[in-house]
Amino acid sequence: ETGVTQTPRHLVMGMTNKKSLKCEQHLGHNAMYWYKQSAKKPLELMFVYNFKEQTENNSVPSRFSPECPNSSHLFLHLHTLQPEDSALYLCASNLQEGGELFFGEGSRLTVL
Amino acid sequence: GENVEQHPSTLSVQEGDSAVIKCTYSDSASNYFPWYKQELGKRPQLIIDIRSNVGEKKDQRIAVTLNKTAKHFSLHITETQPEDSAVYFCAAFKAAGNKLTFGGGTRVLVKP
Repeated sequence: ETGVTQTPRHLVMGMTNKKSLKCEQHLGHNAMYWYKQSAKKPLELMFVYNFKEQTENNSVPSRFSPECPNSSHLFLHLHTLQPEDSALYLCASNLQEGGELFFGEGSRLTVL
Repeated sequence: GENVEQHPSTLSVQEGDSAVIKCTYSDSASNYFPWYKQELGKRPQLIIDIRSNVGEKKDQRIAVTLNKTAKHFSLHITETQPEDSAVYFCAAFKAAGNKLTFGGGTRVLVKP
């Protein structure tokens, strides 16, 4: 247990569904991240939030919409996804000034 | 933006031999270089890191070297054991934007 919790662990959705992934950290960190892990690109950075402000959007399609209501919680809202979006979505956190990144267990997403 | 290249993509070694993984980065502003290990079905975890003011760091059987001029860094695992089998990721961190960019990963298999 690293102190970063992701739910759900598994999600199957159709292309017209709307769902959300949730991440919560209890480590006192002030930076949170979403990474996508697939066979093509093993650890691809999607979004970075520092002190609840988005500081990086790595050219992610608008069908992925992040939300960071406070330093401890991070969401990834999913809408009209494509089958190629099927992957493991990893949340991570650390202190803004760098240092060890703590990952959650990931949410395995399958888009039918 | 930062680009991190990692080689080889797969590495098979005999138990007891050494394993070396090499990475290059593009942005001279990057100043922190961690290595993560991801076992099958688990989250990535930090195993060792090095900062730009240091050329080499060792922790038991693993060591990292950094050549800032050439913008490359390496992971060395000596006396490999079957439990070293995993995917290893190098990464480069830049303080501006608090952005950690990962290499493509190396799948290491240690044969008993």
